[in-house]
Amino acid sequence: NAGVTQNPKFQVLKTGQSMTLQCAQDMNHNSMYWYRQDPGMGLRLIYYSASEGTTDKGEVPNGYNVSRLNKREFSLRLESAAPSQTSVYFCASSDRQGNSPLHFGNGTRLTVT
Amino acid sequence: GESVGLHLPTLSVQEGDNSIINCAYSNSASDYFIWYKQESGKGPQFIIDIRSNMDKRQGQRVTVLLNKTVKHLSLQIAATQPGDSAVYFCAENIGAGGTSYGKLTFGQGTILTVHP
Repeated sequence: NAGVTQNPKFQVLKTGQSMTLQCAQDMNHNSMYWYRQDPGMGLRLIYYSASEGTTDKGEVPNGYNVSRLNKREFSLRLESAAPSQTSVYFCASSDRQGNSPLHFGNGTRLTVT
Repeated sequence: GESVGLHLPTLSVQEGDNSIINCAYSNSASDYFIWYKQESGKGPQFIIDIRSNMDKRQGQRVTVLLNKTVKHLSLQIAATQPGDSAVYFCAENIGAGGTSYGKLTFGQGTILTVHP
């Protein structure tokens, strides 16, 4: 039981390049989330998927798109990377809507030059 | 929007001491709170949660206290060990009947350092 798995672990992009961050969970959770973590800013929600087939914007969605591929997988895409998107990205899942703890992956460390 | 904040950014303790990490929240509508531990290079790890209809909840070596009157949350770690060294985050969720879908608002974190 791996929990939440993220790939890649590290990535360096040039400004304007695109990439997709992969996330998969094996806990049969309904809800999945993408957060970014920046020094002094804490964790901020980018997008979430309350259940398979639905996605919604979080606090900082600009410059990102997401796809809930199936119940297990939730990907985050940067179409045209910018230096402001240099961050650590965390995927998380929870077993039901509302008040339940999120389980996080170990993050993707992205640098945009 | 309203956010969760922490009183102390760093806390240093000796091994075996008890640690208390504090958190202030400003949104009176928040009804669910979580503490996370984050070690270097890893994702946040769930420690303990508490709902607003409770004042106290205990886990293994950890206790969370919620004071709704002053909008204050604390995490107490008993007999702190070097392995407890990490960044600790509190987070709040405006439950609204369970429709907030885990959209947690996180504080900036407190660095706990445990000296052997």
